[in-house]
Amino acid sequence: AQKVTQAQTEISVVEKEDVTLDCVYETRDTTYYLFWYKQPPSGELVFLIRRNSFDEQNEISGRYSWNFQKSTSSFNFTITASQVVDSAVYFCALRNSGYALNFGKGTSLLVTP
Amino acid sequence: GAGVSQSPSNKVTEKGKDVELRCDPISGHTALYWYRQSLGQGLEFLIYFQGNSAPDKSGLPSDRFSAERTGGSVSTLTIQRTQQEDSAVYLCASSLDPDNTQYFGPGTRLTVL
Repeated sequence: AQKVTQAQTEISVVEKEDVTLDCVYETRDTTYYLFWYKQPPSGELVFLIRRNSFDEQNEISGRYSWNFQKSTSSFNFTITASQVVDSAVYFCALRNSGYALNFGKGTSLLVTP
Repeated sequence: GAGVSQSPSNKVTEKGKDVELRCDPISGHTALYWYRQSLGQGLEFLIYFQGNSAPDKSGLPSDRFSAERTGGSVSTLTIQRTQQEDSAVYLCASSLDPDNTQYFGPGTRLTVL
């Protein structure tokens, strides 16, 4: 069975603060893929990043960074110097041998000025 | 280029009526997916198409739900005899091939009265 847990339901920060969104996954497969998607108030899911299970290298893209640790089955997402436009619901997802994405429940991030 | 498009954006129907939801994938994408997003259940996979065939229908909640894809492009999700619990946002995604990243459309919000 596969499962994605995003324990943080809601996070509220003040602009320019750093914030980390946690994602813990469970799978028995050795080959799998992890994703983060952003869902702004407009509702459309926007792809942010994809990692495969054989690539534990951390990634940085502008203010966004991702920390993948197989030892703790975690794929955490950090936003540095948050901005109001970062306010959204963020979903972590897992895909293993099938093609369906298994999503976590999402973390709602509110960034206030 | 154009992203995934879905129509209608909103659909209000009465309990017991049939509804059809349409998805136009990104041009050239061979794989197409339907998901459902509801408050209680989060994001759930419904069905996956590769070309015009559906190798994985495991997420369809009942036999009232069906989907087809024609010409390797447009897909229609049909819900017969709608129930109030069918109220949700229905999201369509497509990918270049099954191993690639899924890109989502804006969704159809279905309300069953």
